[in-house]
Amino acid sequence: EDKVVQSPLSLVVHEGDTVTLNCSYEVTNFRSLLWYKQEKKAPTFLFMLTSSGIEKKSGRLSSILDKKELFSILNITATQTGDSAVYLCAVEKINYGQNFVFGPGTRLSVLP
Amino acid sequence: NAGVTQTPKFQVLKTGQSMTLQCAQDMNHEYMSWYRQDPGMGLRLIHYSVGAGITDQGEVPNGYNVSRSTTEDFPLRLLSAAPSQTSVYFCASSRQGETQYFGPGTRLLVL
Repeated sequence: EDKVVQSPLSLVVHEGDTVTLNCSYEVTNFRSLLWYKQEKKAPTFLFMLTSSGIEKKSGRLSSILDKKELFSILNITATQTGDSAVYLCAVEKINYGQNFVFGPGTRLSVLP
Repeated sequence: NAGVTQTPKFQVLKTGQSMTLQCAQDMNHEYMSWYRQDPGMGLRLIHYSVGAGITDQGEVPNGYNVSRSTTEDFPLRLLSAAPSQTSVYFCASSRQGETQYFGPGTRLLVL
């Protein structure tokens, strides 16, 4: 059965801290891994990773994928209160159509 | 572009009632999906479609029907609502190999 696991499930930090969020997966027919940020409403896209070892960066956020060990990390440096959100990891499968398997999310709270 | 739109934003149903959640996208995406999100469980795929006239079941399809008569629209039907279907429902659309774009969600409460 396909599975995406995220850790920690919840995290509280102070502004300026650096955080690392983890995502591991057991999914057949892997195509890509995606990270989303979800605040009050719909998830918004952060990164799509398809190749191992290539870091993707966007401002203070970065992510990398290890297809051999089946995991990805999302790093946020110099956290701000606006980073408070649920961060979702999803794996896209290659099959008929497009099929995403989501993890439960990590709830990040950044305190001033 | 409006992106992905969903209606209604919030709905209260009684057990046994039926309703349709609407989803539309104006990006000419071939793929559309319906998810439900429950606390602590992330997003679970209900049904998805790879194009007009083609739909398939996801992880949790029981109690839901879908159809895709046009590229733009992908309604989700609850035939006989149950309290277990209380959830937040998200519709998403995408092109193959690209990220999904999500609608704003419909919060459903079944009493």
